[in-house]
Amino acid sequence: AQSVTQLDSHVSVSEGTPVLLRCNYSSSYSPSLFWYVQHPNKGLQLLLKYTSAATLVKGINGFEAEFKKSETSFHLTKPSAHMSDAAEYFCVVARNAGGTSYGKLTFGQGTILTVHP
Amino acid sequence: DSGVTQTPKHLITATGQRVTLRCSPRSGDLSVYWYQQSLDQGLQFLIQYYNGEERAKGNILERFSAQQFPDLHSELNLSSLELGDSALYFCASSPRDRADTQYFGPGTRLTVL
Repeated sequence: AQSVTQLDSHVSVSEGTPVLLRCNYSSSYSPSLFWYVQHPNKGLQLLLKYTSAATLVKGINGFEAEFKKSETSFHLTKPSAHMSDAAEYFCVVARNAGGTSYGKLTFGQGTILTVHP
Repeated sequence: DSGVTQTPKHLITATGQRVTLRCSPRSGDLSVYWYQQSLDQGLQFLIQYYNGEERAKGNILERFSAQQFPDLHSELNLSSLELGDSALYFCASSPRDRADTQYFGPGTRLTVL
């Protein structure tokens, strides 16, 4: 079994300030972890993924996330927020076998990021 | 643009009816995944097909069924529709039988009145 908890349903930051979106996971298996972003009225786009290589993962648009097994966390960060970052972000877990992810993706409930000018 | 196409974009129908949602994966992708996004349930995985065969099943109701055709496009059939089936239905595709990188389509918004 696997599950994901996104600790904040809404995060509000000012443009140019750091972003932190928190995610904790639970998995009976070795996990693969992902962050997806969904802009209003759009589909989901993969930001980054962890599949048992480096624990610090860099993604698109300046985002990165760190896999911490001891804390069962995979928080998403960005040093400086842009207005275009305003969207909903989903933390996702899948089963990992040999560095490859299989089966269903389990999504967190989402965090809506608002960026103020 | 992810390369995954879904039709129709919007669908409005009545309770008790049946609808079919269509998905064309990216060129060369063998896996197709279906997801439901609703306000109360969030984003849920429904089902995965790989090269025509069912590969993984999630929280898919018995009233729902899917298939993947030889040309790799997929259809999600929803029958005996209820108000609670109103949601955004996403299709995603990936190159192989792996969840590593899924490319999502724009979704079909289903409204059941």
